[in-house]
Amino acid sequence: GDSVTQMEGPVTLSEEAFLTINCTYTATGYPSLFWYVQYPGEGLQLLLKATKADDKGSNKGFEATYRKETTSFHLEKGSVQVSDSAVYFCALGDMRFGAGTRLTVKP
Amino acid sequence: ETGVTQTPRHLVMGMTNKKSLKCEQHLGHNAMYWYKQSAKKPLELMFVYNFKEQTENNSVPSRFSPECPNSSHLFLHLHTLQPEDSALYLCASSQDQARGYEQYFGPGTRLTVT
Repeated sequence: GDSVTQMEGPVTLSEEAFLTINCTYTATGYPSLFWYVQYPGEGLQLLLKATKADDKGSNKGFEATYRKETTSFHLEKGSVQVSDSAVYFCALGDMRFGAGTRLTVKP
Repeated sequence: ETGVTQTPRHLVMGMTNKKSLKCEQHLGHNAMYWYKQSAKKPLELMFVYNFKEQTENNSVPSRFSPECPNSSHLFLHLHTLQPEDSALYLCASSQDQARGYEQYFGPGTRLTVT
């Protein structure tokens, strides 16, 4: 069946460091792909999405490209901030979520 | 109010109690979802309603009973829960259940079963 595998955390970075969180998927067809973010004490909120191969989703400096050939949707940001500290979830369009990756950014 | 709201935000209940969680969305969406989030497991989909009809029950024990009286409201009725049911229960909505629509989440209800 369809599934999502994402890099386990926690991840700790210094401010202005480069971030990559890996996400790979197994799916029939070509599902939409999402990254959600969950800040402490809150529900999840959409960070970015891509609906077809080679699409690049971007928001708040974060980017992810839908790679059909490698079945991946890795999340990247060039320079993280303390305010980016949160849990990040990769998800398929059929409501399957990865385990979540906790990111902590230190000043 | 806007978005997806959930009440109560925190709930402590004994194993013999009966309680209900409420979710309301003000987005005009047609699909609503219940998820369970616990420290030990990834986000688990519990139930899906699309246009008020239940379309998915992800092998959830019968001590959890959902109700969707209309497209804007979703309830989760709880009875004779177990301590391992303690978790954050998240409600979400989307335009409909079709793939490609992002979900909008509420802040969750933190449930503790004693």
